[in-house]
Amino acid sequence: DSGVTQTPKHLITATGQRVTLRCSPRSGDLSVYWYQQSLDQGLQFLIQYYNGEERAKGNILERFSAQQFPDLHSELNLSSLELGDSALYFCASSGGRVRNTEAFFGQGTRLTVV
Amino acid sequence: QQPVQSPQAVILREGEDAVINCSSSKALYSVHWYRQKHGEAPVFLMILLKGGEQKGHEKISASFNEKKQQSSLYLTASQLSYSGTYFCGTVASGAGSYQLTFGKGTKLSVIP
Repeated sequence: DSGVTQTPKHLITATGQRVTLRCSPRSGDLSVYWYQQSLDQGLQFLIQYYNGEERAKGNILERFSAQQFPDLHSELNLSSLELGDSALYFCASSGGRVRNTEAFFGQGTRLTVV
Repeated sequence: QQPVQSPQAVILREGEDAVINCSSSKALYSVHWYRQKHGEAPVFLMILLKGGEQKGHEKISASFNEKKQQSSLYLTASQLSYSGTYFCGTVASGAGSYQLTFGKGTKLSVIP
């Protein structure tokens, strides 16, 4: 158990809908990262927050947004969902800056868009 | 820009050795290595920092050539439990040092 909690574990929704994925980082970790992993694909970096502030942005679609709250949990919002958004979404957290600190991954949320 | 890993896949018999390579076009501050088993979360193996510091797994070793922006993961005397997909993640020097970018992965299969 990495200590990173993601909910829900599975989500099935229809095209055009909006969903929210939640991530609770390890106790004390200030950094949260979101990744998307499609079938047999690598981990695509979406966005990163440090202590409530956005610090890095990757290939995140305009339909997607995220935030980190004062209690350090984070939410990833996906709207106007398309079939291609079906993927495993991972959240990771680290205690400091990832350049010299390992990241711990949650078990992921599997999103299926039908 | 994501790092490039090679090979894409490798099959080993128990006890054999393997090397997985990772290269980047950017100047790097650190390289991370993770292993992911099917349907599970990636698990941290090792981090190699600019300047030579390493933190991580006892039985797996790695190297980091800062000048060439390359890293290699060495799996010796492989065990069945080593099977999985290995990802290298890179953190660029400078302004990009908050972002951990992963390669496409190397699928390792260890057979009896």
